[in-house]
Amino acid sequence: DVVMTQSPLSLPVTLGQPASISCRSSQSLVRSDGSTFLSWFQQRPGQSPRRLIYKVSNRDSGVPDRFSGSASGTEFTLTINRVEAEDVGVYYCMQNSHWPLTIGGGTKVEIK
Amino acid sequence: VQLVESGGGLVQPGGSLRLSCAASGFTFSDHYMDWVRQAPGKGLEWVGRIRNKGDHYSTEYAASVKGRFTVSRDDSENLLFLQMNTLNSEDTALYYCSRDKDGAADYWGQGTLVTVSS
Repeated sequence: DVVMTQSPLSLPVTLGQPASISCRSSQSLVRSDGSTFLSWFQQRPGQSPRRLIYKVSNRDSGVPDRFSGSASGTEFTLTINRVEAEDVGVYYCMQNSHWPLTIGGGTKVEIK
Repeated sequence: VQLVESGGGLVQPGGSLRLSCAASGFTFSDHYMDWVRQAPGKGLEWVGRIRNKGDHYSTEYAASVKGRFTVSRDDSENLLFLQMNTLNSEDTALYYCSRDKDGAADYWGQGTLVTVSS
């Protein structure tokens, strides 16, 4: 199974400052057709997960443009340009390039 | 798009439970559907998937549930199901259904809580 390792576990951030979350896969997520199924999800306290980014860097409709996704090899990064109070929650990466689908352990974003 | 899970509750170890997910606001039959669970205070764990008719309603399961859980669907009623057998305490979790689009879950329900305890 592909292991998705997120870091850090906890990320205290200052309002208005940038924040980055890393997700490393244990093997390449590039499929034979060239696509890469890596997504990012936000789970606010007491809420269901919400998808932010799909296929590495595609932002979902309604997601603020301060959220962006990127990749370098097997390392994937979610960046929040300027953190706002509503960004507090746990963020997860998920890969669906290889079965079984696997999910990172989560990164808790909190305000300093 | 709306996904509404139901059927959760308290069940004894070794027991069975069937969860349902009612879908609306989109063409249910077009989409692959997933079940994902979250144990109390823990992260997300993918449970299983069912593909659409075009892909023969094929299914995939996490190793932790394979042979005990079955995902099915009724496209005529826009319903997704999760039949759970031989439940144990490690299956205690909030169970979400989700719709797959572009390779990952783009909509999630609010979840239904399953508690396995004697």
